[in-house]
Amino acid sequence: GAGVSQSPSNKVTEKGKDVELRCDPISGHTALYWYRQSLGQGLEFLIYFQGNSAPDKSGLPSDRFSAERTGGSVSTLTIQRTQQEDSAVYLCASSFLRDYEQYFGPGTRLTVT
Amino acid sequence: RKEVEQDPGPFNVPEGATVAFNCTYSNSASQSFFWYRQDCRKEPKLLMSVYSSGNEDGRFTAQLNRASQYISLLIRDSKLSDSATYLCVVKSGGSNYKLTFGKGTLLTVNP
Repeated sequence: GAGVSQSPSNKVTEKGKDVELRCDPISGHTALYWYRQSLGQGLEFLIYFQGNSAPDKSGLPSDRFSAERTGGSVSTLTIQRTQQEDSAVYLCASSFLRDYEQYFGPGTRLTVT
Repeated sequence: RKEVEQDPGPFNVPEGATVAFNCTYSNSASQSFFWYRQDCRKEPKLLMSVYSSGNEDGRFTAQLNRASQYISLLIRDSKLSDSATYLCVVKSGGSNYKLTFGKGTLLTVNP
């Protein structure tokens, strides 16, 4: 079956611009996660959605970052006024339920110039 | 102290070698433990879960020592296709969904 898909695969943007990253989870998966992988750093948790519950936003690095999940499926991560330190690979994952295996998408490579 | 620490590597080994990766975690309340594999410029994929009793999957053996907060992965008879970054991953004790990753150890298996 189809895995987690993300778009765009690559995004180059100028400092100060806003960007939107999209994630399509595996059909039927109720849990969705965003992670970030920066050069030389491990993956770090950003945000978690589970059904209609309030998301866990504890990993978002600043108020320039926000995410939403519409209709319990597709999610969008928005970064406002991008900075060079936002350059990273943004990975989305989904799982059937909270405690189940998380499957990762191919990521969006964001470069802020 | 970082939540999950791994051997920095990189490891370069010949085909057929046995290689071991070590990892420690700081949160004693952590409940679940995993090894993920990440190929260059690809997404991480679950390699295996790690249980206190130890578990084996073919050439791969994972061990967990809760008292020492230590996790290991052993690869026997390494293949060229084992070349990848190996990530030690822990699920936080307070939230059984947030994965905390080590920085990973790069393995290159040479012919």
